Amino acid sequence: EPEVTQTPSHQVTQMGQEVILRCVPISNHLYFYWYRQILGQKVEFLVSFYNNEISEKSEIFDDQFSVERPDGSNFTLKIRSTKLEDSAMYFCASREARAGGFRNEQFFGPGTRLTVL
Amino acid sequence: DAKTTQPNSMESNEEEPVHLPCNHSTISGTDYIHWYRQLPSQGPEYVIHGLTSNVNNRMASLAIAEDRKSSTLILHRATLRDAAVYYCILPSGNTGKLIFGQGTTLQVKP
Repeated sequence: EPEVTQTPSHQVTQMGQEVILRCVPISNHLYFYWYRQILGQKVEFLVSFYNNEISEKSEIFDDQFSVERPDGSNFTLKIRSTKLEDSAMYFCASREARAGGFRNEQFFGPGTRLTVL
Repeated sequence: DAKTTQPNSMESNEEEPVHLPCNHSTISGTDYIHWYRQLPSQGPEYVIHGLTSNVNNRMASLAIAEDRKSSTLILHRATLRDAAVYYCILPSGNTGKLIFGQGTTLQVKP
C-alpha cells in the first residue's frame, strides 16, 4: 500500500540554525500539507501546497518557514532560523485530487521530531 | 470554518461496540464529515468520511444524522489497539485543510 514517508525521523539542531524536513508524498497525489504538533498539544495546520504554489497558510507559517517541491517526488519544509518554540513533531500529508469537494482523505507520514536546543 | 464538538474522553471495554459522537451544528450543505485518529506516538490516520449517507469500511461505520448536524463514529468491536484520540473534522479552505480540535480520547479496557 502506498504511504507518505518523511526523513529524518528525528532532527536535533541548535537555535538559529536552518533545518530542512523532507517528505515523499504518495506519487499520484497533488495536494500537499504540513502540520505540526507540539508535545502534549493538538495537531496544527501550517500550510497547504497545490500546483507548485502555496494555497493556504496559517498564522504560524511566518517568514521563517518555506515549502518547496524541488522535484517530482519530494516536498520540503524549511525553517530558516530555528527557535526553541519550533520544537515539535512535523507531519507531512498528501491527498489525491478529485472533483467535487473534499471527498477524499489525507494520508499522513510518520512525522519528524524536531528538537531545537 | 465549521466547528465540531466532541466529548473529551470516553471509555470502552474490549470487544464491545463504541459510539463516538460529534456535533457540527454549523455544517454547510457541501461539507464532508471526516474522522481521523491518532494512536500514541504516531501521526494522524484516516478512519472514514461521509457526506449524507451512512458509510461503512473495514475500520468503522459512520452514522450521519438526517439534518447533518451530528454524526457518530462506530467501532463495532473495540480492541486495545483502538485506544487513540479520535477527531471529527470538516475539511475546509481551498485545499481541504484539517483543523484539529482536542478530539475524544478513547480508553479501551481489557
